[in-house]
Amino acid sequence: EAQVTQNPRYLITVTGKKLTVTCSQNMNHEYMSWYRQDPGLGLRQIYYSMNVEVTDKGDVPEGYKVSRKEKRNFPLILESPSPNQTSLYFCASSLYGTGTYEQYFGPGTRLTVT
Amino acid sequence: RKEVEQDPGPFNVPEGATVAFNCTYSNSASQSFFWYRQDCRKEPKLLMSVYSSGNEDGRFTAQLNRASQYISLLIRDSKLSDSATYLCVLGGSASKIIFGSGTRLSIRP
Repeated sequence: EAQVTQNPRYLITVTGKKLTVTCSQNMNHEYMSWYRQDPGLGLRQIYYSMNVEVTDKGDVPEGYKVSRKEKRNFPLILESPSPNQTSLYFCASSLYGTGTYEQYFGPGTRLTVT
Repeated sequence: RKEVEQDPGPFNVPEGATVAFNCTYSNSASQSFFWYRQDCRKEPKLLMSVYSSGNEDGRFTAQLNRASQYISLLIRDSKLSDSATYLCVLGGSASKIIFGSGTRLSIRP
């Protein structure tokens, strides 16, 4: 089954404790991205990757890191989480990164930072 | 001004009604337009792409008005299962994908 998976689905952590949210897709998509969704603000892009070893900042990259060592995986790293990073996070992939292709989303990760 | 603006709703309509909502955008260079549907606490999923000539998929009709810079979604004969948030999405230059905040739709029996 073609899908995007994320883990964990739910996470409660404390300020400053490093964490990683994994994202994997099995569709051989070149483009992957991370979004956060907050009430009233919609989906905002954090980072994106056009292909392996090619990543770039989205609209709200501060406090996040990513890497793309393999085509299928695109982990999101919070080196020192803070309460303002409490949010619902989605990973997404598409065939190419031209903005014209359907985005496939993972099921989301609900993160709470206390 | 936001790049994409949507009426947040909620739109509360009876089953069987026709409902329409718009999405306005500010970047005239936007090239691709989509409607996504998001159920509560779930991931967004593509509902339909929006083409210049307008397109229809069953009870759903999407239209693009480039001159006035808006896209619209019309839902006919609404069903209870249509209750969701509808996201307007724009694609422009490489990698730039903009999501609207969404319009909440609630269909009542």
